[in-house]
Order: sequence, then structure tokens, then C-alpha cells
Amino acid sequence: NAGVTQTPKFQVLKTGQSMTLQCAQDMNHEYMSWYRQDPGMGLRLIHYSVGAGITDQGEVPNGYNVSRSTTEDFPLRLLSAAPSQTSVYFCASRHKTPGMGPTDTQYFGPGTRLTVL
Amino acid sequence: KNEVEQSPQNLTAQEGEFITINCSYSVGISALHWLQQHPGGGIVSLFMLSSGKKKHGRLIATINIQEKHSSLHITASHPRDSAVYICAPLKGVGNQFYFGTGTSLTVIP
Repeated sequence: NAGVTQTPKFQVLKTGQSMTLQCAQDMNHEYMSWYRQDPGMGLRLIHYSVGAGITDQGEVPNGYNVSRSTTEDFPLRLLSAAPSQTSVYFCASRHKTPGMGPTDTQYFGPGTRLTVL
Repeated sequence: KNEVEQSPQNLTAQEGEFITINCSYSVGISALHWLQQHPGGGIVSLFMLSSGKKKHGRLIATINIQEKHSSLHITASHPRDSAVYICAPLKGVGNQFYFGTGTSLTVIP
């Protein structure tokens, strides 16, 4: 299993540009989510999905769109990049209701470091 | 006020020391996740627990749901344990994780 993969690893954008961060998982997890991590703050939820065709907003959704056309893929779109979106972005996946078994945990992708100039 | 408080925020230890990181949270939860973030940025799951204690190698996690508190212990610490440790309770309502800001641990040889 590749686990959770994210591309690209690094990206520099100019203000106003748009782009898509890709995320894929091969564990057949129902639940996928996007977080951003900023210095001095905990991970914050941007958007999440509980299954194909179902998405919902998290804590900080403004400026981002998501879609979930398949179980495996959950792309994050920046509509018009702003310097405030400079951050490290993590995609994660898990079973919808995590149990206590060794695989009932949340798996994180390697992250995308985004800089908006 | 942050719903998740971790202490200490920064910790420096000598190799071999016993380390404790604490996590307190303010809302009802169904489980709690301990994560490790390496200096390169990758995030790895350590434990998911909802009661009592779990042990994996030199790592031990405990939780008291009623007291809204969890601890992560590292026995015989080693420089490779240097990382940021993040506590992430799973809210009982909404089924969402929320995250502490982490404890930065440095273990000196």
C-alpha cells in the first residue's frame, strides 16, 4: 500500500493564481480530510469528506474548494491564491468511525508546502 | 481559549531520561490520538486510545476520559525521539479531530 500520497511537495504561487493540490489513498478509507498547519497553531480542518460524492466544510474553508468523485481521490482547489494561504497542507484519511485497532487510525500524507507571493 | 492544551510546549532532555507530555481538553471526546511530527514534517500516528493505557515499545499513552486528560510517556529517551508530539482528541459530536499545538522535544546525547 502506498498509503496517502500528495502532490506537489512544494509550490510557489503568485497572488490570484489558482491551483489544485492532489491527494490519493489506497486503503479504501471512507473519510478524507484536508488540514493546514501554520506556525504556533495546531492543524486546522479545511474540508472533509465522509465518502464519494459527500463533502463538508471544516473550520477554515474560505478560499478552498473540494470534490470527491471517487473513494481514492480528494483534491483541494485554491480558487484565487492569497498570501494568507501560505502554509503547509496535509491530506489525511481514516475509516469513518475509528476504532481502537492498530489500523483504525488517521493516516497523513507527506504534506505540501505552499508559498503565495 | 484553545480547546486542547499541551504541556510543556518545549522540552529538552538528556538521553536516557523519562519524559512525560501532558494533554488536557475541554470538551467531551470519544477517543484521543497521539501523533509524532518529524523534523522533516511528516506526521505519524503513535496511538489511538479511548480508555486506560496503551504501550508500544518505549512509548506509553494513558487517558482519563472523565478528567479530560491524557499523557504520553517516553522511557529511556533517545535522540531519535526528537520531534513534535501532537495530541488530537476526537470529538464525540461531529466525529472530528481537533489538535493541540504540539510539544517540541529535543533529546540531547
